Amino acid sequence: AQTVTQSQPEMSVQEAETVTLSCTYDTSESDYYLFWYKQPPSRQMILVIRQEAYKQQNATENRFSVNFQKAAKSFSLKISDSQLGDAAMYFCAMVGANSKLTFGKGITLSVRP
Amino acid sequence: EAQVTQNPRYLITVTGKKLTVTCSQNMNHEYMSWYRQDPGLGLRQIYYSMNVEVTDKGDVPEGYKVSRKEKRNFPLILESPSPNQTSLYFCASSRSTSGTIPNYGYTFGSGTRLTVV
Repeated sequence: AQTVTQSQPEMSVQEAETVTLSCTYDTSESDYYLFWYKQPPSRQMILVIRQEAYKQQNATENRFSVNFQKAAKSFSLKISDSQLGDAAMYFCAMVGANSKLTFGKGITLSVRP
Repeated sequence: EAQVTQNPRYLITVTGKKLTVTCSQNMNHEYMSWYRQDPGLGLRQIYYSMNVEVTDKGDVPEGYKVSRKEKRNFPLILESPSPNQTSLYFCASSRSTSGTIPNYGYTFGSGTRLTVV
């Protein structure tokens, strides 16, 4: 079985600052993929960033980047230059050979103007 | 526009009255899945499908049925809804670049808010 853990229920960041959201996972599979999703108040689920487990290089998408530590099974999301529009719930997720996309419980990020 | 369309957006129904939530995608994705989202529990997978006529149970399949007769459609059926199925439901689809894992990242529908009274 695979599990995804987000231990912080809430975080807050000042506008223009940097914030890191933590995520750990557990799986026995060798081939898997990791994702971060954003859910704003509109409740739409938006894919933020994707990481292949076999790649050592950390994925980057504009202001969003990950710190992928495979041995530690850690997959944190860093948001640089935080904007008011970044306020949302963020979910960490993973999928493996069983095709099941497993989510963490999410973290609510607030951005202070 | 590439999208996953689910209907209805909102639904209030009574206990025991059969209902279907439709889901359709126009991206020719092999993988489709249903999730329910409840406060404090995140998103939990109900059922998923790897292709036409291939479906499997997720983590919380009790009380739900699905079918995948066509690649684009993946309806969720509640034969006898109960109040504990009140939730926010999402349909999602994905393609695979590896052939075996839906690794591209799921695209989600806008959600269906279901209330069973």
